[in-house]
Amino acid sequence: EAQVTQNPRYLITVTGKKLTVTCSQNMNHEYMSWYRQDPGLGLRQIYYSMNVEVTDKGDVPEGYKVSRKEKRNFPLILESPSPNQTSLYFCASSLQGFEQYFGPGTRLTVT
Amino acid sequence: DAKTTQPTSMDCAEGRAANLPCNHSTISGNEYVYWYRQIHSQGPQYIIHGLKNNETNEMASLIITEDRKSSTLILPHATLRDTAVYYCIVRFPNAGGTSYGKLTFGQGTILTVHP
Repeated sequence: EAQVTQNPRYLITVTGKKLTVTCSQNMNHEYMSWYRQDPGLGLRQIYYSMNVEVTDKGDVPEGYKVSRKEKRNFPLILESPSPNQTSLYFCASSLQGFEQYFGPGTRLTVT
Repeated sequence: DAKTTQPTSMDCAEGRAANLPCNHSTISGNEYVYWYRQIHSQGPQYIIHGLKNNETNEMASLIITEDRKSSTLILPHATLRDTAVYYCIVRFPNAGGTSYGKLTFGQGTILTVHP
């Protein structure tokens, strides 16, 4: 089954404790991206990757890092999480155009 | 990217057709109309897209007016599981630069399907 998976689905952590949210797709898609969703602000793009070793900033990249060492994986790294990064995070992938497939989401709470 | 305007909310009876409008009066010639939906706190789901002609797939139909300034997403037989936020997005496909691939989600239309 074609899918985008994210782990963990839920995470509660404390300020400053580094964490990684994994994203994996099994569709051989070149394009992958991360969004965050906050009430009243909608979905905003954090980072995206057009292919292996090619990444770039989206609209709200501050406080986040990404890497794309393999085509199928695109982890999101928070080196020093802060409470303002409490959000619902979605990973997405696509082969071309904007028919993007989204993961189930990761709900992160930073205290 | 062309700005879109959608009603904030709509209701529909189960089994009836749900017609969701979208206004995109500033759309340019090569911009496509895409529809996604998001069921509460789940990841957005692609529904359909089109350029000029009407399109239909297993989920929905997309009707684009001749002047392309508006479109309607039609769910022919709405079910309770179709209750979701529906987003109309107008975009150049495969645009280059920093905007490549980025989907700009507005507020969308909250569709509530009633029994």
